[in-house]
Amino acid sequence: QSVLTQPPSVSGAPGQRVTISCTGSSSNIGAGYDVHWYQQLPGTAPKLLIYGNSNRPSGVPDRFSGSKSGTSASLAITGLQAEDEADYYCQSYDSSLSGPWVFGGGTKLTVL
Amino acid sequence: EVQLVESGGGLVKPGGSLRLSCAASGFTFSSYSMNWVRQAPGKGLEWVSSISSSSSYIYYADSVKGRFTISRDNAKNSLYLQMNSLRAEDTAVYYCARGALDSSALDYWGQGTLVTVSS
Repeated sequence: QSVLTQPPSVSGAPGQRVTISCTGSSSNIGAGYDVHWYQQLPGTAPKLLIYGNSNRPSGVPDRFSGSKSGTSASLAITGLQAEDEADYYCQSYDSSLSGPWVFGGGTKLTVL
Repeated sequence: EVQLVESGGGLVKPGGSLRLSCAASGFTFSSYSMNWVRQAPGKGLEWVSSISSSSSYIYYADSVKGRFTISRDNAKNSLYLQMNSLRAEDTAVYYCARGALDSSALDYWGQGTLVTVSS
């Protein structure tokens, strides 16, 4: 059971917009800690996609955006492309744990 | 270019030990915190351990506390994970990841090394 909850899967057609939610609690997202998002393409290592809730590292297309409100965060992908098919993970910091870096369980995005 | 290259994975029997290494290049290693994150086959990411730039602060996930030891050698630009009393549930790809300077994000990841615990 992950500390951060994500839907196991989402899907969308090319060109559409999809969102992936990440729900936490008052000891992590709700406490004001930043949320970060990672993309893991099949057979590869995770890659930082969004940091600090809504910031994109250099090279990440602006089709990817992040937001945070209360105890939840969301990743939005617009203009869906076939190469976006991947697993997506949210990550934050939890003050109630001795090992405070926490991940969501991951969401598999399928491009129809 | 930032590069993180893990090594040391392999097949080990339950109760055995293994030492993972991560060779860093392309950045000032001594300025960054470093982490180990693992991924069991077909499963999600699990943060394992973190060490601050000067080794002053070290953290472990409860699942590995008392069995795993993280360390670093800034002179050799290297990160290590000593894994003892290994269990079947430790089977995973282990990734080395750099901590971002200004947030809790992990901004660069290695390609991973597979650890298989089986008799």
